[in-house]
Amino acid sequence: QLQLQESGPGLVKPSETLSLTCTVSGVAISSSSYYWGWIRQPPGKGLGWIGSVYYTGSAHYNPSLKSRVTISVDTSKSQFSLKLSSVTAADTALYYCARGRKYCSDGTCYSTYFDSWGQGTLVTVSS
Amino acid sequence: QSVLTQPPSVSAAPGQKVTISCSGSSSNIGNNYVSWYQQLPGTAPKLLIYDNNKRPSVIPDRFSGSKSGTSATLGITGLQTGDEADYYCGTWDSSLSAGNWVFGGGTKLTVL
Repeated sequence: QLQLQESGPGLVKPSETLSLTCTVSGVAISSSSYYWGWIRQPPGKGLGWIGSVYYTGSAHYNPSLKSRVTISVDTSKSQFSLKLSSVTAADTALYYCARGRKYCSDGTCYSTYFDSWGQGTLVTVSS
Repeated sequence: QSVLTQPPSVSAAPGQKVTISCSGSSSNIGNNYVSWYQQLPGTAPKLLIYDNNKRPSVIPDRFSGSKSGTSATLGITGLQTGDEADYYCGTWDSSLSAGNWVFGGGTKLTVL
């Protein structure tokens, strides 16, 4: 049974770097069929995709966040991680990790859907 | 403002049917698969529909999905009070060189 669990600080100061880890259990993170993604939800608002990483380390990001985001994977620990730099209050949100089904078309690969989600972790940006 | 447009809210009585629309463009819905997610209050989103109209095995057939052109629709029949939730559509958007995954703004379903 696949489980994803987010972990990391719940409070980050403005201008600092937000760091979260998602631990995957029950399935191999190095599956060729899936991406591993981060999605966030500001309080009372909708969902926003941050980015996704393949087990090889290849990642793609939301263009609006790309300059501040790094998503990496550690297959030996069955974990993938999110780093978001120079945070502001606008980055306060529930952060979810999720598994995305990999699909490739015309030389481009991406997730077609997210079939399993972690419970989410609230990160507040405040001094 | 979301790339995909959903109505902010819909409502219907128990036992009735409701549909939720998701409108996009040729760079997203028009040329990519659509998925739908249910988010019950205080919980993580759950996949309801994938690849436009397929249901995970654990999702009852009261839930259905369809796509036509640049729009997609989620249908729910036999409404139950337990269906009260926020519903999101999502798809890949290939308008930028690197692409981008996009969600609709969400629709709050009230079962009266």
